[in-house]
Amino acid sequence: GQNIDQPTEMTATEGAIVQINCTYQTSGFNGLFWYQQHAGEAPTFLSYNVLDGLEEKGRFSSFLSRSKGYSYLLLKELQMKDSASYLCAVKGSNYQLIWGAGTKLIIKP
Amino acid sequence: EAQVTQNPRYLITVTGKKLTVTCSQNMNHEYMSWYRQDPGLGLRQIYYSMNVEVTDKGDVPEGYKVSRKEKRNFPLILESPSPNQTSLYFCASSLTSRNEQFFGPGTRLTVL
Repeated sequence: GQNIDQPTEMTATEGAIVQINCTYQTSGFNGLFWYQQHAGEAPTFLSYNVLDGLEEKGRFSSFLSRSKGYSYLLLKELQMKDSASYLCAVKGSNYQLIWGAGTKLIIKP
Repeated sequence: EAQVTQNPRYLITVTGKKLTVTCSQNMNHEYMSWYRQDPGLGLRQIYYSMNVEVTDKGDVPEGYKVSRKEKRNFPLILESPSPNQTSLYFCASSLTSRNEQFFGPGTRLTVL
């Protein structure tokens, strides 16, 4: 079967760094996406990885290892507004997205 | 402004009363999709459309219908809603199936 795992909830301190992990088992791989979703709002696109390695975009970075079926999202210099759920999604062989259940990130002052 | 719009944003209805949730995008995207989101389950795809007049079932299509007669619109139809269809629904679109998706604001549906 197809499966995406990510921690249910994480807590971090304002100004710190946090890493949110995502592991996946899918039939085929055509890219991995990270989305941010604030409570009650729509998901918004953060990053896309299709090749192994690190993609950096401001305070956010995303890493992919296809051989390990593993990705992480790294958030630096955490701000209170980063409190949200972070969704990992993989495009399978038919180019449809398979979604993880999301990681709720709580930022404490 | 480039966006995906959904209507209504909130809806409370009763079992068996047919309803339609509209979705429209102004970005000339080929690909559109409907998801439902339930606590602890993440986003689950209901139906998707690769282009006009082309629709396919997602993971949870039972009890739903869609149509794609125009590129910009992708309505979701519940012919006979049931309480287990109470959920938060999102419409999304992307340039093609290979690109990142843009989401509408969501429709919170309650079926009594």
